[in-house]
Amino acid sequence: RKEVEQDPGPFNVPEGATVAFNCTYSNSASQSFFWYRQDCRKEPKLLMSVYSSGNEDGRFTAQLNRASQYISLLIRDSKLSDSATYLCVVSTSGTYKYIFGTGTRLKVLA
Amino acid sequence: EPEVTQTPSHQVTQMGQEVILRCVPISNHLYFYWYRQILGQKVEFLVSFYNNEISEKSEIFDDQFSVERPDGSNFTLKIRSTKLEDSAMYFCASSEAAGGGTQYFGPGTRLLVL
Repeated sequence: RKEVEQDPGPFNVPEGATVAFNCTYSNSASQSFFWYRQDCRKEPKLLMSVYSSGNEDGRFTAQLNRASQYISLLIRDSKLSDSATYLCVVSTSGTYKYIFGTGTRLKVLA
Repeated sequence: EPEVTQTPSHQVTQMGQEVILRCVPISNHLYFYWYRQILGQKVEFLVSFYNNEISEKSEIFDDQFSVERPDGSNFTLKIRSTKLEDSAMYFCASSEAAGGGTQYFGPGTRLLVL
């Protein structure tokens, strides 16, 4: 089983749509969770950290289900500028490294 | 807003040559990292560095790789004898805290080994 697994997509959605991405992780000792955004040939940029109680930042909502080892990202009212690859990232207590998923590609269409 | 910088943005080299990739982490950060991303693949951890020593490294980070913080600002990745399969985007990152601390990534160096 992959350490961090994501549906690669692409997800093609019209502007204004709501879209949800899922991610599963295999290590139950994972402690920190993030969503990063990566534009083509650019660096990963932090979108948001994911907290146990779930958290929201504007149009973006992240949820964590530790029992199912599952993380989600919901984007409401999609904009053209949301087109990117969304990376699920997991870190385990006691280690320094980030473990990345392969990313889910989103295309928002006009 | 402080950011991680990397030089060069692109590097083309011949197989067997040595390359040094440079990074300037965010100034108050204490933890430094190198990752690589082969075209079309996921971002992979190479090494982390804290207090002037390697704190963790992956299987990819073999004897041909080394890291150094030669002064108070730069953090370098050296690949001693490049191979074709080293062609990738190399990202430097830094964080204030270890483990769950948020890592901020530089723009990357695209390395092409011919």
